[in-house]
Amino acid sequence: RKEVEQDPGPFNVPEGATVAFNCTYSNSASQSFFWYRQDCRKEPKLLMSVYSSGNEDGRFTAQLNRASQYISLLIRDSKLSDSATYLCVVTRGQTSYDKVIFGPGTSLSVIP
Amino acid sequence: EAQVTQNPRYLITVTGKKLTVTCSQNMNHEYMSWYRQDPGLGLRQIYYSMNVEVTDKGDVPEGYKVSRKEKRNFPLILESPSPNQTSLYFCATGTGGVETQYFGPGTRLLVL
Repeated sequence: RKEVEQDPGPFNVPEGATVAFNCTYSNSASQSFFWYRQDCRKEPKLLMSVYSSGNEDGRFTAQLNRASQYISLLIRDSKLSDSATYLCVVTRGQTSYDKVIFGPGTSLSVIP
Repeated sequence: EAQVTQNPRYLITVTGKKLTVTCSQNMNHEYMSWYRQDPGLGLRQIYYSMNVEVTDKGDVPEGYKVSRKEKRNFPLILESPSPNQTSLYFCATGTGGVETQYFGPGTRLLVL
């Protein structure tokens, strides 16, 4: 089993749709969680951190469920520019300096 | 302008010919890291460094070396490249580890 797993995708959704991605992690010692976005073979860019209380940034909402060891990302009112691969990122230890594990990514295509 | 630069951006080489991929940042970041990205496997951490002269192995360090003699530079060295090291390589830097991590543009390496 991979240490970080994501919905395989691809997700093809119409503009304006709401889409949710899930990510599960196996190491219960993991403490830091993030969502990154990667456009086609370009460098990944931090989308948002994920906090236990949940957090929102505009149309994006991230949630963390430590008991079930999963993280989610919700995108509301999808835009064409949201088309990308979304990477779930988990640190293996207790600090954000610890080893970093990227999930395999979920591809999203927003269709006009 | 805050920048992470990698050189070269593209490289074709032959098995066994030593090569170095450079990474340089102008943001005075303490944390630097190297990843490789392969289809179906996602991004995997090779080595990381928390400060000058402090480096540690990531998940896939075999066949690679790094050094951190100065804060701004973190070169990745392949002493004897092999075809299974053909990949897309990313350097990343940050102040707080993963949370504020900025990626370089990537280096595409082909080992024949």
